[in-house]
Amino acid sequence: ETVMTQSPATLSVSPGERATLSCRASQSVGSNLVWYQQKPGQAPRLLIYGASTRATGIPARFSGSGSGTEFTLTISSLQSEDFAVYYCQQYNNWPPWTFGQGTKVEIK
Amino acid sequence: QVQLVESGGGLVKPGGSLRLSCAASGFTFSDYYMSWIRQAPGKGLEWLSYISSSGYTIYYADSVKGRFTISRDNAKNSLYLQMNSLRAEDTAVYYCARAGSSIPNWFDPWGQGTLVTVSS
Repeated sequence: ETVMTQSPATLSVSPGERATLSCRASQSVGSNLVWYQQKPGQAPRLLIYGASTRATGIPARFSGSGSGTEFTLTISSLQSEDFAVYYCQQYNNWPPWTFGQGTKVEIK
Repeated sequence: QVQLVESGGGLVKPGGSLRLSCAASGFTFSDYYMSWIRQAPGKGLEWLSYISSSGYTIYYADSVKGRFTISRDNAKNSLYLQMNSLRAEDTAVYYCARAGSSIPNWFDPWGQGTLVTVSS
C-alpha cells in the first residue's frame, strides 16, 4: 500500500499570503496525484489532477507541482474562501487508492 | 449537471446492516467506474470500494472486506453499498464518487454524503 503523508497538519496563513502544502508518497506514484479541497460540512472538491493540472473552474491561484514521491500544492494569495482542509490522493498504485491525512489551512 | 445523491444512512446497532444508495445523473453512468469513500467524524478520507463500469471488477479496502458489498444497476443509474456486521468504527459520512472512465483514477465529483452511525 502506498502511504501518503501530508505536512504540515495545520498551516496558519494571513489572507493574501502564499500557502505551500506538501505531500509525500511512500513509493513513486509518477504524476498520478490529485489534490482536493474540503470545507466544513461539504464533500471534497477536486482541485488538481495529474499533479499539476487544474480541474475545471479552479482559480489560477491554485497550482500543483512534483512527481515521483514529492508533491506541492501552492495557493499564491489566500482568499477567505480558501480556508479549508486539503487532501492529496494517489491513483498510481491501486488498490487501494490512498489519501494523505490532510492539511488544515486556517486564518492567522 | 453531473450529480450524485446518496441515501440510506442512519442509526444502526453494532452487528446490524444497512444499504446505502447513490443516484447518479447528468452523465452516462454505465461508462464510469464508481467508488465509495468514507470519513469518520473529525478524521480524514478512507477509500472503501471500487466497481468497474460493467460491475465485473470489484475491489475492497481490507477494513471492510467480507462485510461490505458494492454493486451497481446501470439501468437505474444507481450505485449501492450493502454493509453488514457493522461496528462502532464504521461510524462515518459515506460518499459515493465517480472514479474515471478509461482507467480508474481520481474521484470527481462526490455526492453530498450520508451519515452512518453505529451505536447501541
